[in-house]
Amino acid sequence: AQSVTQLGSHVSVSEGALVLLRCNYSSSVPPYLFWYVQYPNQGLQLLLKYTSAATLVKGINGFEAEFKKSETSFHLTKPSAHMSDAAEYFCAVRYNNNDMRFGAGTRLTVKP
Amino acid sequence: EAGVAQSPRYKIIEKRQSVAFWCNPISGHATLYWYQQILGQGPKLLIQFQNNGVVDDSQLPKDRFSAERLKGVDSTLKIQPAKLEDSAVYLCASSLDSRSYGYTFGSGTRLTVV
Repeated sequence: AQSVTQLGSHVSVSEGALVLLRCNYSSSVPPYLFWYVQYPNQGLQLLLKYTSAATLVKGINGFEAEFKKSETSFHLTKPSAHMSDAAEYFCAVRYNNNDMRFGAGTRLTVKP
Repeated sequence: EAGVAQSPRYKIIEKRQSVAFWCNPISGHATLYWYQQILGQGPKLLIQFQNNGVVDDSQLPKDRFSAERLKGVDSTLKIQPAKLEDSAVYLCASSLDSRSYGYTFGSGTRLTVV
């Protein structure tokens, strides 16, 4: 079954430290890949998306992600964490049938 | 442009009662989705509409859940009767119907069944 796996349900970093949130997908055909952020009591907001163009994708709020076909990964990174980055992050894949599947999410905590 | 509108924001009902949620997608978005997000989990697709037709409702518990999208614009999701395990956030999203685009989500309706 086609799916997406987020490694680590909780990630904690210090302010100013590197943020790395992991996402792996399972598919023989490269899908479209997305990262969403969800702040408390809000809907999901699109951070960035991979649509088979450049493998390094830059998104909002200083986040970026790199598509690595050989590793079937699409990890999200940010060089320097800010307190306002604390939220839930979801990786998602979308295939030709137009159905988007979400990972279980990773809660990011940023310590002062 | 205006975002995806959902109402109500919060709803508390007793088990076995009925509840309905409303969604108004972004103007021009042909595809509309309803997702269920249980606390601590990622969103799960319940139903997908293309204009006013159902594309995928394979994960919709049809014995108690129903949804419609009259005239291909607004949509309503109903639960009747509700169970305790239906407590979740119900998210509506819309897209232009191109696989390269991410969805635009509404703020969701938080349902608590007691």
